[in-house]
Amino acid sequence: GENVEQHPSTLSVQEGDSAVIKCTYSDSASNYFPWYKQELGKRPQLIIDIRSNVGEKKDQRIAVTLNKTAKHFSLHITETQPEDSAVYFCAVQAGTALIFGKGTTLSVSS
Amino acid sequence: GAVVSQHPSWVICKSGTSVKIECRSLDFQATTMFWYRQFPKQSLMLMATSNEGSKATYEQGVEKDKFLINHASLTLSTLTVTSAHPEDSSFYICSAKGGSGANVLTFGAGSRLTVL
Repeated sequence: GENVEQHPSTLSVQEGDSAVIKCTYSDSASNYFPWYKQELGKRPQLIIDIRSNVGEKKDQRIAVTLNKTAKHFSLHITETQPEDSAVYFCAVQAGTALIFGKGTTLSVSS
Repeated sequence: GAVVSQHPSWVICKSGTSVKIECRSLDFQATTMFWYRQFPKQSLMLMATSNEGSKATYEQGVEKDKFLINHASLTLSTLTVTSAHPEDSSFYICSAKGGSGANVLTFGAGSRLTVL
């Protein structure tokens, strides 16, 4: 089945810096790659997604890039703010379900 | 936007009893719902895919007789943890596709199960 690897597991940055989280996947047929943000004790929320026919997508301070050949995609957060602190999960569509990476705990200190 | 309601949010039960968790899509129809399990500080592990009107599809290693899933209508899926034991204590989250977009998963708020 699909195998999703996510790195790093923890990431600490200063407010205003950029943060990058990377995921790799195994099934070349996968074509949908969302990113979810989960704050402590809350449900995961979709923050951005990308499909395989697009190489990059941007939404304000958040961007996702996809390299289908290398089978990896990355989340980029610019000008980080303390409220960006959360756990971020990448996911890959496998059949009808989403398979999640292990998560990255992002801490933004002011 | 799409809303998924999950109930109860927290339940404590004695070992050996059964617990039912409900997942409802409030403003859209969900032919497919997904049940995930999340241990503290870990990822969401897919347990099963719940299909309206048919049997659920379980992931490898998930006991279908222990985690009973019923998807009797287009807006309701239930997960019953049968004969619960302390090792079943976890955070269970349901999700549904539809509403906001064909592939977008909307999550319920989760149910924290504690088995004494």
